[in-house]
Amino acid sequence: DQQVKQNSPSLSVQEGRISILNCDYTNSMFDYFLWYKKYPAEGPTFLISISSIKDKNEDGRFTVFLNKSAKHLSLHIVPSQPGDSAVYFCAATNTGTASKLTFGTGTRLQVTL
Amino acid sequence: DSGVTQTPKHLITATGQRVTLRCSPRSGDLSVYWYQQSLDQGLQFLIQYYNGEERAKGNILERFSAQQFPDLHSELNLSSLELGDSALYFCASSVGGESFTEAFFGQGTRLTVV
Repeated sequence: DQQVKQNSPSLSVQEGRISILNCDYTNSMFDYFLWYKKYPAEGPTFLISISSIKDKNEDGRFTVFLNKSAKHLSLHIVPSQPGDSAVYFCAATNTGTASKLTFGTGTRLQVTL
Repeated sequence: DSGVTQTPKHLITATGQRVTLRCSPRSGDLSVYWYQQSLDQGLQFLIQYYNGEERAKGNILERFSAQQFPDLHSELNLSSLELGDSALYFCASSVGGESFTEAFFGQGTRLTVV
């Protein structure tokens, strides 16, 4: 049962344009959402998060949007840079429980010149 | 550098064998999580320890076990290894406690079972 889904395995975007990565979840108990970035041969690195009491969180070039009614979140990267090329994982948790993270399967972003 | 240290980085072993993966969390972090990433798959949660006690269990096989020691380092033991156990195994740590904090991941141990 995949509670966090990233339906796009890959995405290619030109440098300078916007990258939009999507994530859907099914568990209504999730109340905190995170995006992790992963380069090859490295562990995932925390990027940005959002609590369910918000619908938007911004950090520099990265913005996460949360639509609770649709159980959908998205990560916007503007402008995209070649160094953003990596696999992006969406993750979710219920902060009231054991706080483990449930991850999606990832989206591989390639930013081209 | 996330501050989470995993050893070894690579491990090659034969089917039926047993291996131990080690994780040292960031200084001050009480929670340790273990995740498995098989080829082209997401990160599957295996188990979480908080301050020495098991806190949550995911899809961890009975052949696998883990523990967290008084110095807060953790070990993941994999026994009767099968070819399908070949994967990247990640350890993550967080402050833990009552409120959630982001988890920081180590670089992983790549296990190859031949």
